[in-house]
Amino acid sequence: GNSVTQMEGPVTLSEEAFLTINCTYTATGYPSLFWYVQYPGEGLQLLLKATKADDKGSNKGFEATYRKETTSFHLEKGSVQVSDSAVYFCALSDRTGANSKLTFGKGITLSVRP
Amino acid sequence: DAEITQSPRHKITETGRQVTLACHQTWNHNNMFWYRQDLGHGLRLIHYSYGVQDTNKGEVSDGYSVSRSNTEDLPLTLESAASSQTSVYFCASSELKLAAEQYFGPGTRLTVT
Repeated sequence: GNSVTQMEGPVTLSEEAFLTINCTYTATGYPSLFWYVQYPGEGLQLLLKATKADDKGSNKGFEATYRKETTSFHLEKGSVQVSDSAVYFCALSDRTGANSKLTFGKGITLSVRP
Repeated sequence: DAEITQSPRHKITETGRQVTLACHQTWNHNNMFWYRQDLGHGLRLIHYSYGVQDTNKGEVSDGYSVSRSNTEDLPLTLESAASSQTSVYFCASSELKLAAEQYFGPGTRLTVT
């Protein structure tokens, strides 16, 4: 079955530091890949996505590239801000139809200190 | 603006009681989903629906049921609440298309004592 593996957390960074959060996946075929973010006390919201190999998703300074050869979708940001403190989830959706059922990783908590 | 709402936001109940969590969306989405969020497990899918009268089991469906009588609502029922069902529950909806974004509600924190 499908699965998503995220690096262990939590992660604590200073403001303006570089961020990398690793995500690898196992899936049949060629899934679509997502990063969702959950701010404290809220539901999840889509941060970015990529639907085919070598696609790069980007939003709010975050980027992730769909790497089929390494089955990875690592999240990066060049300079984090305190407001980026949140829980980040990597997820995949298989391409067995037009339905968007997601498989999530366990999530990682990012704390950014001033 | 379209939205997805959940009620109640917080609920405390006793073991063995039946509990229903409401989810209502005004996006007019075909797809609706229920997840539970637990530390160390991320989000796990409980049930999902691809349209009216359609329901499907997710990976952790035991002890839960759903019904879909209209497009807007997908209530989640815990038939006989157990302490293991203490969790935060999220409802989500999406369009019926490939790689569609899921829109999440604010969550319901359920405590079973």
